[in-house]
Amino acid sequence: GAGVSQSPSNKVTEKGKDVELRCDPISGHTALYWYRQSLGQGLEFLIYFQGNSAPDKSGLPSDRFSAERTGGSVSTLTIQRTQQEDSAVYLCASSWGGPNSPLHFGNGTRLTVT
Amino acid sequence: LAKTTQPISMDSYEGQEVNITCSHNNIATNDYITWYQQFPSQGPRFIIQGYKTKVTNEVASLFIPADRKSSTLSLPRVSLSDTAVYYCLKGGNTGKLIFGQGTTLQVKP
Repeated sequence: GAGVSQSPSNKVTEKGKDVELRCDPISGHTALYWYRQSLGQGLEFLIYFQGNSAPDKSGLPSDRFSAERTGGSVSTLTIQRTQQEDSAVYLCASSWGGPNSPLHFGNGTRLTVT
Repeated sequence: LAKTTQPISMDSYEGQEVNITCSHNNIATNDYITWYQQFPSQGPRFIIQGYKTKVTNEVASLFIPADRKSSTLSLPRVSLSDTAVYYCLKGGNTGKLIFGQGTTLQVKP
């Protein structure tokens, strides 16, 4: 079956521009996560959506970052006024249940800010 | 939120058994332990999950002692294609799941 899909797979943008990253989770999965992974580093939690509950935004690094999830399905991560330190791979994951449910990851969007 | 703790790197040779141990001293009653494998340019993928004692599937085994403060992922007879980063993740009662730095396993011929 279809897995988690992220688009674009690669994005190069100029410093100061806004970018939108998209995540299509597995159908029926109620939970959706965004992580950031810098080169050679581990996964940094950004945000978590669960059903219709208010998202846990506590991992967003600054107010330039925001995310939404429409209709309990597709999610968009928006970075405004990008900076070079935003360059990283942004990973999305979904799961069918609570925090003990295994995460299914997409292959990420590699963002490069020049 | 406390992360799990794992060795940063390990080396092995083809055909050997590899054991990677993860420490999670603050594990709560409802927390499960899940292990993921990540290859370059890919997202992590699920390997195995357990709560206590031993769990085995077609690719790995997971040992969790009675106090549940640690867990050991066992990969039998590794091959070059097992070279990857392995993450141990502690579940919880919130969705803020914090990954540790992971263990980079290098399998040599």
